[in-house]
Amino acid sequence: GESVGLHLPTLSVQEGDNSIINCAYSNSASDYFIWYKQESGKGPQFIIDIRSNMDKRQGQRVTVLLNKTVKHLSLQIAATQPGDSAVYFCAENTGGFKTIFGAGTRLFVKA
Amino acid sequence: GAVVSQHPSRVICKSGTSVKIECRSLDFQATTMFWYRQFPKQSLMLMATSNEGSKATYEQGVEKDKFLINHASLTLSTLTVTSAHPEDSSFYICSARANNFSYNSPLHFGNGTRLTVT
Repeated sequence: GESVGLHLPTLSVQEGDNSIINCAYSNSASDYFIWYKQESGKGPQFIIDIRSNMDKRQGQRVTVLLNKTVKHLSLQIAATQPGDSAVYFCAENTGGFKTIFGAGTRLFVKA
Repeated sequence: GAVVSQHPSRVICKSGTSVKIECRSLDFQATTMFWYRQFPKQSLMLMATSNEGSKATYEQGVEKDKFLINHASLTLSTLTVTSAHPEDSSFYICSARANNFSYNSPLHFGNGTRLTVT
């Protein structure tokens, strides 16, 4: 069904600082998780993914942490830059080919 | 690689008319494509799974007669919003996987279509 029309949570960070964006997922059977970045007026862009048999994965300036015990996912962005300002979504594959998106977080980077 | 192109990017139509949105995979073949809808300041909601050569699978609460999906080739899926009404105004986004055989791979998204129904 449709999500309730709530404003997106916002995270405001200073340029150069590290950002941590959190996400709680709902389905304990989910076995693949993805973080997407969405800029205004555009489709989501893949950032990083992680499978359920891992608890940490690193990319370039980004790290994803997975805690299956509490069904929690986080995205860490190192040395945040103005170009990182966007809405970030976590998403999960609940089995099969469907990807379900979680609530997003808007990241503001102050210069 | 793995580019998904969506057209049009923006459309305004009158209430009661129909609008067709095209989604193309430019450099890969997609047996399955996914259509999402996004309202302002909200997350993406999966509407339907488009299957090449067969009927689409719709999520609960999505009217299949209102949102017609056709996936006639391995690189093209279309979404037609029939008899559009103002409440259908939204951002429609399609996506596909470059690897059709692994669901543990990310979706690649088009840049969306902003539909405004007056």
